[in-house]
Amino acid sequence: SQTIHQWPATLVQPVGSPLSLECTVEGTSNPNLYWYRQAAGRGLQLLFYSVGIGQISSEVPQNLSASRPQDRQFILSSKKLLLSDSGFYLCARGGATNEKLFFGSGTQLSVL
Amino acid sequence: AQTVTQSQPEMSVQEAETVTLSCTYDTSENNYYLFWYKQPPSRQMILVIRQEAYKQQNATENRFSVNFQKAAKSFSLKISDSQLGDTAMYFCAFRKNSGGYQKVTFGIGTKLQVIP
Repeated sequence: SQTIHQWPATLVQPVGSPLSLECTVEGTSNPNLYWYRQAAGRGLQLLFYSVGIGQISSEVPQNLSASRPQDRQFILSSKKLLLSDSGFYLCARGGATNEKLFFGSGTQLSVL
Repeated sequence: AQTVTQSQPEMSVQEAETVTLSCTYDTSENNYYLFWYKQPPSRQMILVIRQEAYKQQNATENRFSVNFQKAAKSFSLKISDSQLGDTAMYFCAFRKNSGGYQKVTFGIGTKLQVIP
């Protein structure tokens, strides 16, 4: 099966602290991987996507960064969190022909 | 750039009744995909239905069907025989159909409540 593992499920962090959210994918090679953020009333905002190891593209300027150290691992990071970084973060991968998206279970991040 | 608009922030429907969620989009592309994704209270996003723009026939998946009007750039979702498990946020999404990576653009969602 093709599964997306995302953790932690919830996270509460103080302003200025670092962040590392991890996403791993099973059952597929060289997937396109994505990080989305969901804020209330704003739908899903694409933050980063990756088409291969070490290849990261950013959709919006922000306080976050992403890395893909392995084919099936995608990491979302920040050196210093801001209040505005609070939100629900979803990792996703493209389907076999990449037109569909499959999502992880998400991480609810609260920055206080 | 493509935009996706969902003008109904919230909707409700009685169990076993039919409800239609609206979506419009703006694009200059001729070949693309349209999707409806569902996000239940568990927040796990799942694909409900997909439409390829070059197909005139509306997609159907069991109780879910779409009304795809390409000229009007409209893509509504009809849920028949609504069930309590249909309670969720529903997101309309757009993706160009061309080679390589293509961004998926989402609407802001419609919150659907199925009332027993």
